[in-house]
Amino acid sequence: NAGVTQTPKFRILKIGQSMTLQCTQDMNHNYMYWYRQDPGMGLKLIYYSVGAGITDKGEVPNGYNVSRSTTEDFPLRLELAAPSQTSVYFCASSSDRRDQPQHFGDGTRLSIL
Amino acid sequence: GNSVTQMEGPVTLSEEAFLTINCTYTATGYPSLFWYVQYPGEGLQLLLKATKADDKGSNKGFEATYRKETTSFHLEKGSVQVSDSAVYFCALSWGYQKVTFGIGTKLQVIP
Repeated sequence: NAGVTQTPKFRILKIGQSMTLQCTQDMNHNYMYWYRQDPGMGLKLIYYSVGAGITDKGEVPNGYNVSRSTTEDFPLRLELAAPSQTSVYFCASSSDRRDQPQHFGDGTRLSIL
Repeated sequence: GNSVTQMEGPVTLSEEAFLTINCTYTATGYPSLFWYVQYPGEGLQLLLKATKADDKGSNKGFEATYRKETTSFHLEKGSVQVSDSAVYFCALSWGYQKVTFGIGTKLQVIP
């Protein structure tokens, strides 16, 4: 009953460091997403993928990169971390049907100092 | 483009009070509508959904009706509990899983 699993749950980075946020799902969903959630600002889409090997930018892609080599995994890469990237990051997955919901992980809380 | 407008919070209610959180949308075609709930320290999870006009979604005492004539999907609960304290997001989905979320409404229920 794992669903969407994100690691790590918490991380503190120094300015200029890089890291990868991991996301894996066991529901065989084709669609996967990365969002960031800032206090009082709702969710903003960073990147999404419609299947292995296919990714596309969302609203706020600058400073991030993604890859999708398998159906299960969708890692998010932060290069040259900046304080503006301090946020809570959520990974989600879904089938391709519009009447089905997205399934979210529990998030990664990232602070850039 | 498609959009969701959700009432801003926070909303503070006493236990057993009636809850309404307003959500209106702008969309072409026939989107599906969702309410998600986010408890502290967790990700969003589906609360209820409706996929066509006049559908009523319900779960855990919460209800929402897909009103195409007023482009609304208001969330209601007759008697809230402290355990309902959370952030609630309205969302619409169209095409191949294109989703727009509202900004979220924080609900605090006090004993």
